[in-house]
Formats: sequence, C-alpha cells, structure tokens
Amino acid sequence: DAGVTQTPRHEVAEKGQTIILKCEPVSGHNDLFWYRQTKIQGLELLSYFRSKSLMEDGGAFKDRFKAEMLNSSFSTLKIQPTEPKDSAVYLCASSTGDERLFFGHGTKLSVL
Amino acid sequence: GQQVKQSSPSLTVQEGGISILNCDYENDMFDYFAWYKKYPDNSPTLLISVRSNVDKREDGRLTVFLNKSGKHFSLHITASQPEDTAVYLCAAASNTNKVVFGTGTRLQVLP
Repeated sequence: DAGVTQTPRHEVAEKGQTIILKCEPVSGHNDLFWYRQTKIQGLELLSYFRSKSLMEDGGAFKDRFKAEMLNSSFSTLKIQPTEPKDSAVYLCASSTGDERLFFGHGTKLSVL
Repeated sequence: GQQVKQSSPSLTVQEGGISILNCDYENDMFDYFAWYKKYPDNSPTLLISVRSNVDKREDGRLTVFLNKSGKHFSLHITASQPEDTAVYLCAAASNTNKVVFGTGTRLQVLP
C-alpha cells in the first residue's frame, strides 16, 4: 500500500511528556498537512508544507506543537509538553498540489 | 475562527430520499470547494469537488451546488442508501492550497 503511512496508530502519554508522531506521505506528493480531529472542533489544520517548506505554522498551536519535514518522504509532529486537552486523533495528509488530499489512518493520542 | 461552517451536526433521511448537506464559508479568496466522506474509524476520502468558475457539478447521485454570492455550497445525494450513512466534511481552499474543513455533518439513512 503506497498511501499515507502514520505511526504509531495509538499513543498514550502522561501529562508533560514529549511525543513524536510520524508520517510518510504518498510518494511524489509535494504537499503535506497535519490536522487534529476532535468531535467538537472537527479537523483543525496544524501545519502545512509545500515541497518541504513550512507554509502554515499552526497559529494557536505554535507554542507546544512543532512539525518538521526533514525530507520529502518523512514528517514529524512533536508535542511538547503534552496536556490532557491534546487527546485527539492526529491526521496526516498529502497531495500533489491539486487540493485533493489523501489521508493516513491517523494516530489516536490519549494524554492522561 | 472557523472559516468553513457546517451548522447541522446531523441529518436523518429515509432510504430513497434526497440528502442535502450544507456548508457556509467566510473567505472570499476560496476558489476550491469539496466534500469528503468519513466512516467511523476511517480517514476522510474525497467525494466530489468544484472550482469557483462553475456553480454546479454532478457525479452520479452526487451534485455540488456553489453559491458564491451567498458564500454557500451544498451536497445533494439523490436516492439515498443506508451505505451513505457517514460523516460528511465540507472543505475549501484558496490559491495557497491550504485546505480547511468544516466540523462535519453526520448523515444517517434509514432503511
């Protein structure tokens, strides 16, 4: 399967820990997005990369959330320090730049 | 603030009926509008999309209507079926290609 790969599928963290979520986009895709999904807010955009350059740094999420794209085939989202309100599903998506997004299965984060 | 809004969190339709899902947006610069479908425990997948140079697009049982002056677009599903039961997310983007989503409408089609 050459789709978007996210690891881990589930993550449990204690409050104050640092966690790193990983994403491998579809091969050849230039755009990569990180979203947080909650029942109340829906899909909130955290970060957006185009050809590895950060285009959107997450606004309100800037202080504890940091996304990086070290190469065209790998991205990480670091949350430091974690808080219970960070419990959500974190989705990574990629596209060729034509706005059609292909999503990974997501990482379900639980912060105790 | 929420740039794309779905005011109805849920909708129930009888099998065979027409499902109408609505989305309002704020940003005049949006020129791409889309609907995604999401099953429980699965990721969203693209259903249908339109550019701002058209006001309607059909694809089988799906039709997207775009009202630019009203900053509103909708998805119509004709002959609704139980397998259409899912969460529907509207999305929009400007020429920056940054895609933003609504909070979703949960559609239930009753047999």
